Amino acid sequence: ETGVTQTPRHLVMGMTNKKSLKCEQHLGHNAMYWYKQSAKKPLELMFVYSLEERVENNSVPSRFSPECPNSSHLFLHLHTLQPEDSALYLCASSQDPGIGTEAFFGQGTRLTVV
Amino acid sequence: GESVGLHLPTLSVQEGDNSIINCAYSNSASDYFIWYKQESGKGPQFIIDIRSNMDKRQGQRVTVLLNKTVKHLSLQIAATQPGDSAVYFCAESQGGSEKLVFGKGTKLTVNP
Repeated sequence: ETGVTQTPRHLVMGMTNKKSLKCEQHLGHNAMYWYKQSAKKPLELMFVYSLEERVENNSVPSRFSPECPNSSHLFLHLHTLQPEDSALYLCASSQDPGIGTEAFFGQGTRLTVV
Repeated sequence: GESVGLHLPTLSVQEGDNSIINCAYSNSASDYFIWYKQESGKGPQFIIDIRSNMDKRQGQRVTVLLNKTVKHLSLQIAATQPGDSAVYFCAESQGGSEKLVFGKGTKLTVNP
């Protein structure tokens, strides 16, 4: 276990549904991240939160809405997704985003949009 | 386009052999590099990292080499074991973890 827990592990949703992904870190880190991992593509950084403030938003469509209520929890709210949004969504945390240190990843949520 | 890439998408080795996985990067200002291992159905797991003020760093059975002149990074795994079978990613960053840029990955298969 890496200390980063994601739920659910698998999610199938229709294009009109609204769902949320949850991430919790038990490492006392100050930064949390959402990444998207699609087949045969590099990991794509979606959002970065530092001390509960969003510091990075990599041109992600508004149908993805992050929320960071405290430094230990991160959510990704999903609505009106498209089939091409099917992917593995990974949450990660690190001690401090301003310093080059390793990020610890959760197991991911395998999302399928039908 | 992506700034980090890998020379080979797949690598197959015999158990007990040494493995070398290569990575090229294009941002000469990158100052932090990291290798991750991702097993099937799991998230990426940290293996080893290196900063730009170093050329080599060793861990348990793994060594990372950094050649800044040619912007090349490699991961060496000694005495490769079946449990090492996974996809290996390199990533680079300039200034902080929030700017980590990942390569596509190399799939390592260890044959018994």
